Amino acid sequence: EAQVTQNPRYLITVTGKKLTVTCSQNMNHEYMSWYRQDPGLGLRQIYYSMNVEVTDKGDVPEGYKVSRKEKRNFPLILESPSPNQTSLYFCASSPGRDEQFFGPGTRLTVL
Amino acid sequence: SQQGEEDPQALSIQEGENATMNCSYKTSINNLQWYRQNSGRGLVHLILIRSNEREKHSGRLRVTLDTSKKSSSLLITASRAADTASYFCATALYNNNDMRFGAGTRLTVKP
Repeated sequence: EAQVTQNPRYLITVTGKKLTVTCSQNMNHEYMSWYRQDPGLGLRQIYYSMNVEVTDKGDVPEGYKVSRKEKRNFPLILESPSPNQTSLYFCASSPGRDEQFFGPGTRLTVL
Repeated sequence: SQQGEEDPQALSIQEGENATMNCSYKTSINNLQWYRQNSGRGLVHLILIRSNEREKHSGRLRVTLDTSKKSSSLLITASRAADTASYFCATALYNNNDMRFGAGTRLTVKP
C-alpha cells in the first residue's frame, strides 16, 4: 500500500530534550516536506527536499533540522525543543510539486 | 508568511446545497491545489489546477482559477454530511520550490 508513515504519532517532551520525528514513504517520490499546523494558521512549511542530499528552508525553519540521506526517509529533528514548537506536524511526499501524499500527523507537546 | 487565504473561514449549509470556497494568493504560481482534512487527520488531495488552466472538474468538485485576480474557487455540488471537513488551498510558487497553504475553510454540512 502506497503510504507515508510518521513516528511517533504522539509525543510529550520537555524543553531542551532533543527529539526526532521520522518520516518514510514507499512511493519513490523525489519531493518530501514537513509542515506544522497550528489553529488559525493552516499549514506552514518547515523544510522541504527536492531529492537525496538536497534540502531547503520553507516558511518557518527556525528551531528545526532535517536530513535526506535516503530517498524514502526525511526525519525532522528538534535539537532543543521549546514550548512554541508544540504543534501538529505533517510529513508529505510527492513526485514533484503536484499531488502531495500526507502522513497521519505527529502531535507534539513541549512542556 | 501564508500565500493562500481562504474565504470564508467557516461555512455551514444543508445537505444537498452547493458549497463555494475561495482562495486568494499573492505571487505567481505554477499550480494551485485543494486539499481536504478531517478533524486533525492527514490532508487528502482533491484536485490540482495549473496556471494555464481556467477550470477543472472532478466528480462533484469544480475548481476555477483566475490568475489575473490571483484567486481560485472550489465548488462542491449537492453536498453531503460526509463532506464536513476543513478545505485548504495550496500554491506551488512559480519562482521557488516551496508550497504555501492557506488557513482553510471549515465546512459543516447539516443532514
